[in-house]
Amino acid sequence: NAGVTQTPKFRVLKTGQSMTLLCAQDMNHEYMYWYRQDPGMGLRLIHYSVGEGTTAKGEVPDGYNVSRLKKQNFLLGLESAAPSQTSVYFCASSRSLVAETQYFGPGTRLLVL
Amino acid sequence: DQQVKQNSPSLSVQEGRISILNCDYTNSMFDYFLWYKKYPAEGPTFLISISSIKDKNEDGRFTVFLNKSAKHLSLHIVPSQPGDSAVYFCAASSSGSARQLTFGSGTQLTVLP
Repeated sequence: NAGVTQTPKFRVLKTGQSMTLLCAQDMNHEYMYWYRQDPGMGLRLIHYSVGEGTTAKGEVPDGYNVSRLKKQNFLLGLESAAPSQTSVYFCASSRSLVAETQYFGPGTRLLVL
Repeated sequence: DQQVKQNSPSLSVQEGRISILNCDYTNSMFDYFLWYKKYPAEGPTFLISISSIKDKNEDGRFTVFLNKSAKHLSLHIVPSQPGDSAVYFCAASSSGSARQLTFGSGTQLTVLP
């Protein structure tokens, strides 16, 4: 039982490049989330999904897209990376909205030059 | 405007003593509060939570207190151990926001042996 895993762990991009971050969970959770964490700030929600095939915007969605084609996977895409997207990205999942406890992955550190 | 605030970026405590981490919130719609613990290069892990219908919740060495009138919660760790050294995030959610978590900026706790 791996919990929540994230791929890759670290990536360097040039401005304008695109990339996809992959999140996978093996707990059969309905809900999945993408956060970013910046120095001196808490985690901020980018997008989330309440089930396979559904996604919704969080607090800071601009510049990102997401897809939830399979229940266990949640992808975060950057179509044209900007230096402001340099951050640590965390994926999380939870069983339901009633069970508010979210389980987090280890994070992806992204540097955009 | 931060709805969840942790005004102390860092806290140092001697091993065996009590650690008290504080968190303030401004949104009166928040009705569920959580504390997460984060070690370097890892994702946050759930520590303890409290519903707004309670004013105290205890789990082993960890106790969370909620003062709704002051919009303040605190996490007490007794006795503190060196392994407790980590960043602690306060988070809050409300039923009206699809149970999205709003995080504080975190407090770095260092327990000195």
